[in-house]
Amino acid sequence: AQTVTQSQPEMSVQEAETVTLSCTYDTSESDYYLFWYKQPPSRQMILVIRQEAYKQQNATENRFSVNFQKAAKSFSLKISDSQLGDAAMYFCAYVGGSEKLVFGKGTKLTVNP
Amino acid sequence: GAVVSQHPSWVICKSGTSVKIECRSLDFQATTMFWYRQFPKQSLMLMATSNEGSKATYEQGVEKDKFLINHASLTLSTLTVTSAHPEDSSFYICSARDVKGWTNEKLFFGSGTQLSVL
Repeated sequence: AQTVTQSQPEMSVQEAETVTLSCTYDTSESDYYLFWYKQPPSRQMILVIRQEAYKQQNATENRFSVNFQKAAKSFSLKISDSQLGDAAMYFCAYVGGSEKLVFGKGTKLTVNP
Repeated sequence: GAVVSQHPSWVICKSGTSVKIECRSLDFQATTMFWYRQFPKQSLMLMATSNEGSKATYEQGVEKDKFLINHASLTLSTLTVTSAHPEDSSFYICSARDVKGWTNEKLFFGSGTQLSVL
């Protein structure tokens, strides 16, 4: 079974600075998707960024970018120019052939003014 | 963007009663919906996969008779917590997949339901 590991239960960053959240996964599949979701205090799940495994180019969405290392099974999220509104729980997630989304345990991000 | 409506957002019930949670895709058809459970400060745990017109597929350890799932149409799936007990208190979230395929644009989450059983 696929597993997703987020080794940082909590992270903090100063406003306007850059922070990187780590994620590793374990799979034997070659075709899959990886995601980062944000869950603010409202608890609404918000998609931050997506990466297809067959694409070598790292995905980017404005201030959010990933470092996808397929061989190492690593999928980190970099948030640049951090804003107060970025404070939330961040979940790394995987979906493959089973079509079931598997989540990591999450990283709580605090943004300090 | 597409919207998934989940009702109610918050419910309190007495122990032994049943509670129904609805998940509706408002502007797209969803052949597949997923139900998750989230305990405080924890991740989302998949409970079951709901397919329109067929029986739901439950994850290991999830009681089928406790958590009844019905997906009678392409826009509605319901989760009924039967004979609720305090240990069923949790945050329940649904997500819906558009018929077109499996990409980020095609998976949408409801806003969740906080269930508190007294």
